[in-house]
Amino acid sequence: SQTIHQWPATLVQPVGSPLSLECTVEGTSNPNLYWYRQAAGRGLQLLFYSVGIGQISSEVPQNLSASRPQDRQFILSSKKLLLSDSGFYLCAWSVRISNQPQHFGDGTRLSIL
Amino acid sequence: AQSVTQLGSHVSVSEGALVLLRCNYSSSVPPYLFWYVQYPNQGLQLLLKYTSAATLVKGINGFEAEFKKSETSFHLTKPSAHMSDAAEYFCAVSVPSGGSNYKLTFGKGTLLTVNP
Repeated sequence: SQTIHQWPATLVQPVGSPLSLECTVEGTSNPNLYWYRQAAGRGLQLLFYSVGIGQISSEVPQNLSASRPQDRQFILSSKKLLLSDSGFYLCAWSVRISNQPQHFGDGTRLSIL
Repeated sequence: AQSVTQLGSHVSVSEGALVLLRCNYSSSVPPYLFWYVQYPNQGLQLLLKYTSAATLVKGINGFEAEFKKSETSFHLTKPSAHMSDAAEYFCAVSVPSGGSNYKLTFGKGTLLTVNP
């Protein structure tokens, strides 16, 4: 069966520090991969999605970037964190068929001090 | 463009009462629709999906949803609420994102509170 791993679960970082969040998927090949942010009291905001190695689509201009160095690895990064980057970050995967759902990791709670 | 609207950001019910969470969609193509549940500090878990087969879809934990094309709705129901159903619920529609790829557009969520 397929599983998705996301780490760390919790992260506290100072303003201006770098960020690297990692997500890996097991048990499937060529998945679509997604990064979402969920701010307090808001819904899910799609940040990036990827349909293959090195292929990244950005949904919103921001302080973050994403990379996909391997088929089942998706990384969210920042060179210098802002206070507004605080939130709950979720990684998800799906197969490349329109009627199939996305499957989510357990999320990373990021607090910027 | 495809979108979903969840009516009511917060719904409160008594334990044992009917749960009804509303979702209306807008889609220029036959939609694929999903309901997810999120417990505090966890990721989203798929409850059920509509993929153009039966209009009444049964999901996990006793939830079901009915696709009504004439009303562009996909409301989530459960006959009898349990305390463990307290969570946030998201409705989502599958949206073409170029080529043969798709992504989900989510509603803003409905927080369900269950009172003893």
